[in-house]
Amino acid sequence: DAMVIQNPRYQVTQFGKPVTLSCSQTLNHNVMYWYQQKSSQAPKLLFHYYDKDFNNEADTPDNFQSRRPNTSFCFLDIRSPGLGDAAMYLCATSRTGPYNEQFFGPGTRLTVL
Amino acid sequence: LAKTTQPISMDSYEGQEVNITCSHNNIATNDYITWYQQFPSQGPRFIIQGYKTKVTNEVASLFIPADRKSSTLSLPRVSLSDTAVYYCLVHLMDTGRRALTFGSGTRLQVQP
Repeated sequence: DAMVIQNPRYQVTQFGKPVTLSCSQTLNHNVMYWYQQKSSQAPKLLFHYYDKDFNNEADTPDNFQSRRPNTSFCFLDIRSPGLGDAAMYLCATSRTGPYNEQFFGPGTRLTVL
Repeated sequence: LAKTTQPISMDSYEGQEVNITCSHNNIATNDYITWYQQFPSQGPRFIIQGYKTKVTNEVASLFIPADRKSSTLSLPRVSLSDTAVYYCLVHLMDTGRRALTFGSGTRLQVQP
């Protein structure tokens, strides 16, 4: 089945130690998104790629960066995780723009010690 | 600060109709309103999408007034498996910039 895959499902890192989260998709969608979701809160868009065009949200901290080496893969890099970065990180895709249906992965839960 | 607002929680019984409203005063023009369902430890899942008036699919209806400053998700005859958090998703205009924004979310609890 076509899907959005996130690895790992659970990630533990230390305060200040860089970490990378991975997302892959078999849907061949043009757009890929990264969201941060803290406990009991709504997902918050960090950035998205429309093909190779990177779009950063105005309030996304510089500590968060992303790479999309090809259509299928997208990575979220957290350069120096703080305790406040502990959250669920959701990857999503859509065929074209964000007004299209988004397909979400299961998420990676990040713990910062 | 532009934002979307939903009731924090709702309770219902099996077989009842549930209506969840989202307020989005600063919605961008020419953009769709989308609703998602989220179960614990899962990513959100698409329910329905619309631009204006009424849209219906096999699981829900979406009502959008002419001014598009709110939208109402209607779930007919809910079951226990509909217990989840429901979010609206819209583009808001915030200081001249379009921002894709999830609503605050409504936790629906369906009782037998």
